[in-house]
Amino acid sequence: SAVISQKPSRDICQRGTSLTIQCQVDSQVTMMFWYRQQPGQSLTLIATANQGSEATYESGFVIDKFPISRPNLTFSTLTVSNMSPEDSSIYLCSSGGAGELFFGEGSRLTVL
Amino acid sequence: SQQGEEDPQALSIQEGENATMNCSYKTSINNLQWYRQNSGRGLVHLILIRSNEREKHSGRLRVTLDTSKKSSSLLITASRAADTASYFCATDVRGGSNYKLSFGKGTLLTVNP
Repeated sequence: SAVISQKPSRDICQRGTSLTIQCQVDSQVTMMFWYRQQPGQSLTLIATANQGSEATYESGFVIDKFPISRPNLTFSTLTVSNMSPEDSSIYLCSSGGAGELFFGEGSRLTVL
Repeated sequence: SQQGEEDPQALSIQEGENATMNCSYKTSINNLQWYRQNSGRGLVHLILIRSNEREKHSGRLRVTLDTSKKSSSLLITASRAADTASYFCATDVRGGSNYKLSFGKGTLLTVNP
């Protein structure tokens, strides 16, 4: 199993600003994923963070809005850029593959 | 796009009763998984059932899979107040270029003491 730490756990942000969420895994992992969970909704995959190359984004998500870094096999960041109230969500980092996913506790963002 | 759909959306039972949640999906899968989420926090993996399996048990959890009907059920027996959470099914879609899960909308289970 993998233990995933995310920070910040929550934040209140102003419209138009950007926030970077950090995700640290306690072991080296090949695949890391970023999910968004809007209020009362299910999880939607934003992108797969690839070590050493650009992230792979899902339909509806673009790099300019959600730039992702993956500098090594244990760490990734997700930036939510130029935020609007519609970006208020829980953002979850996860890791795994060919089996269960392990999740961080999530970062709850509120955009005013 | 979401593949799984759980029902009911919400379920309220008394402690000690059994809780059954269902999940339907649309395309062929390699496996189906159930996750639990407490009050908007991270998800915890409960159980995975492969496409060639029909039933699986883990403690008080029993999962069934019917690939002909593209459906699965999660049964929690002898429920406890601590089981109160949202439960999501997730499918690993066969043939995808990258491993990724598609989550359903979830069932909010409330177990009343």
